[in-house]
Amino acid sequence: DAGVIQSPRHEVTEMGQEVTLRCKPISGHDYLFWYRQTMMRGLELLIYFNNNVPIDDSGMPEDRFSAKMPNASFSTLKIQPSEPRDSAVYFCASSLWLTVKNTEAFFGQGTRLTVV
Amino acid sequence: KQEVTQIPAALSVPEGENLVLNCSFTDSAIYNLQWFRQDPGKGLTSLLLIQSSQREQTSGRLNASLDKSSGRSTLYIAASQPGDSATYLCALMDSSYKLIFGSGTRLLVRP
Repeated sequence: DAGVIQSPRHEVTEMGQEVTLRCKPISGHDYLFWYRQTMMRGLELLIYFNNNVPIDDSGMPEDRFSAKMPNASFSTLKIQPSEPRDSAVYFCASSLWLTVKNTEAFFGQGTRLTVV
Repeated sequence: KQEVTQIPAALSVPEGENLVLNCSFTDSAIYNLQWFRQDPGKGLTSLLLIQSSQREQTSGRLNASLDKSSGRSTLYIAASQPGDSATYLCALMDSSYKLIFGSGTRLLVRP
């Protein structure tokens, strides 16, 4: 398997524009996580899905952020409208629920978002 | 609320030295703990996973330990090499199945 695949790797957009980040989890994994990483706040969990269903979105900072998982092999994180403070690296991760103790998360390479 | 702390924030050592990175957490109700490595501008690579019922895991020169009762985990790196230079993050799966990260330790191994 190619691992967790994110696109684009880099995105530069103007304030107010809509941004869509994409993620393809590892085939067969049933959990998908979206994280945001900044120097100031480190890695923050935004939302996670189990079997395509959003389980916890309490980390989503504002209504401008939304995430979907229409099928087991694809998820999107959308920011509309984008603001400069949204600039960060956004990571997607997936895991396979073997047992609750043995669930290991695998991360994509991230999308570096810059909002100017 | 679960809090994960990593000390030190940065560490510089000469090549060949053995070193220990620390991770502490406030709530012992965890399912597992994972150590990751992150190179600059890159994603996270999983190094070791310790289940809550385990005490330690080893992979090559890396050894991770877990003491749930005291809320501590350590990552031991033997015979450090310049290629080990990276940021090391610990993350634990809490009782609500979330993966909670520490802020990381930035390691520099000097040739």
